[in-house]
Parts: sequence; structure tokens; C-alpha cells
Amino acid sequence: NAGVTQTPKFRVLKTGQSMTLLCAQDMNHEYMYWYRQDPGMGLRLIHYSVGEGTTAKGEVPDGYNVSRLKKQNFLLGLESAAPSQTSVYFCASSYLRASGRLSSYEQYFGPGTRLTVT
Amino acid sequence: QKEVEQDPGPLSVPEGAIVSLNCTYSNSAFQYFMWYRQYSRKGPELLMYTYSSGNKEDGRFTAQVDKSSKYISLFIRDSQPSDSATYLCAMSVAGANNLFFGTGTRLTVIP
Repeated sequence: NAGVTQTPKFRVLKTGQSMTLLCAQDMNHEYMYWYRQDPGMGLRLIHYSVGEGTTAKGEVPDGYNVSRLKKQNFLLGLESAAPSQTSVYFCASSYLRASGRLSSYEQYFGPGTRLTVT
Repeated sequence: QKEVEQDPGPLSVPEGAIVSLNCTYSNSAFQYFMWYRQYSRKGPELLMYTYSSGNKEDGRFTAQVDKSSKYISLFIRDSQPSDSATYLCAMSVAGANNLFFGTGTRLTVIP
């Protein structure tokens, strides 16, 4: 199993450009998340999804959009990139235990995408 | 005030030392407590988790939770250069979809 993969690994954008980050997981996990990690700020949740076709806002959703058309994929879009969106972006997934109790603590992370907006 | 506070360090120790990493939190509803390890330019990986108060041991690692003080700790015994990484604490409310992370403590173990 590849686990959680992210595409691309690096990207440089100019202000105003758009792009989409792709996250894929092969663990059949229900829940998927997008975080950004900035120095001194830790990991902050951008958006998350509790299942195919669903999305919800996290702590810092402004300037980002997401889609979960397939269970294994979670896309993060930047419509008009700004320098403040320069960051490392991590995707994560987690699963719902058979008993129905959410194991939100077992999040599996991808390797990250380093985005620079100039 | 952030919900989770963590000293960013950096922390530098000689090989074989005992390392203590700590986080404090403000939300008394947190019930799951985790430690993630993140190597440079990699994604975080789950190291240990505990539920509610108490201790949990896994090899050289011990996680402690003191809910009365809203304080969690990770101890690393006989530290190795391979332990050099950033350690992130994280916590959540039972049944919640998201985790609240500390900012991470960068640890360097010197051979």
C-alpha cells in the first residue's frame, strides 16, 4: 500500500495564479483532511471531508476550495494564489472503526506539498 | 490563547539522555492525546496515543496525561540520533473529526 500520496511535491506560483493539489489514499479511509504547516503556527486544518461527496470548513478555509468526488481522492484548490498561502500543505486520512466510534486520532499523513507564491 | 501550547525549542541533548517533551491545553473536553513525530521534510507520523489520564509505555517512549493540570508529556529514554525530529502533540474531543496540534518541539540528539 502506498498510504497517502500527494501531487505535486513542489510548486511555485505567481500571485493570482490557480492550482489544484491532489491527495490520494489507498486505505479505504472515510475521512480526509487538508492542513497547512507554517513556522511557529503548527498544523492548521483548512478543510476536511467525512465521506465521498462531503466537505466541511476547518480553521483556516478562506482562499481555498475542496472537492471529494471519489472516496480515495481529496482535491485542494487555490483559485487566486496569494503570498500568504506560501506554506507546506499536508493531506491526511483517518478511518471509522467498525464499532462506529470515530478513531479521529489515527490520522495518516502524506509527504506534503511545498508551495511558494511569489 | 491557543488551545494547545508547546515549547518550540529547539532542544539539543547528548545521545543516551532522557528527553522530556511537554504540552499544555485549555479545553477540558479533550480526551484523546497523541504524539506525532515529524522528520525533516516529511509528513507527521503517529508515535503514541493515550485516552484520558494515565501513562502509556512503548519501548523507549512513555506518554503521560494529567487531565487535572491539563498537561501532557512524552519521555524518551536512552535517546538516539535517529530520534532527532520535530515532535508534535495533538489532542481531540471524543468523536470529533479534527485534531488540535501544538506547534512542535524540534529535538536534536547529538552522537
